[in-house]
Amino acid sequence: GENVEQHPSTLSVQEGDSAVIKCTYSDSASNYFPWYKQELGKRPQLIIDIRSNVGEKKDQRIAVTLNKTAKHFSLHITETQPEDSAVYFCAALIRVTGGGNKLTFGTGTQLKVEL
Amino acid sequence: EPEVTQTPSHQVTQMGQEVILRCVPISNHLYFYWYRQILGQKVEFLVSFYNNEISEKSEIFDDQFSVERPDGSNFTLKIRSTKLEDSAMYFCASRGHPVNIATNEKLFFGSGTQLSVL
Repeated sequence: GENVEQHPSTLSVQEGDSAVIKCTYSDSASNYFPWYKQELGKRPQLIIDIRSNVGEKKDQRIAVTLNKTAKHFSLHITETQPEDSAVYFCAALIRVTGGGNKLTFGTGTQLKVEL
Repeated sequence: EPEVTQTPSHQVTQMGQEVILRCVPISNHLYFYWYRQILGQKVEFLVSFYNNEISEKSEIFDDQFSVERPDGSNFTLKIRSTKLEDSAMYFCASRGHPVNIATNEKLFFGSGTQLSVL
């Protein structure tokens, strides 16, 4: 089955600096890669996603890059702000038999943006 | 904006008891999921449900677990005989609007049910 590895597990940056979180996946059939932000005690919230036919996608301060050959994808947050502090999860989607699919999550990165 | 809703938000039960966690997915979505998250750990896949049957399940989803879509709106997760290690936040999710193909893969999560088994 799909295995998604994520690092680092914790990341501390100064406000205004950039943060980069990296993930690798194992199944070359994975075709959709979302990133979720989870604040303490709350649901995961989708912040950006990328499909396998695209190499990069940007949305204001957030960007995601995908290298299909190497099977890794990264989240980039520029000009970080204290409200960016949260746990970030990457995920990979693979279609399964029966018409459904399964989203497998990485282990999460605790991002702390310090003043 | 439509949301996935879950009830109850918190559930406390005794070991060995049955619990039913309830979810109302986003209207017209076609795919339904249950995930769980043990405190401080990652979100783990339990089961996916499509076309009125389970399409995929993880090794966590053993005989003690079952899912049901009893009507056109509810999607439930039942744990028959709870164990201490079942204590976790359980998230329901849905995706796949048949018309809005552009957002078909986006998975929307409910706010979760915190299950505590004593």
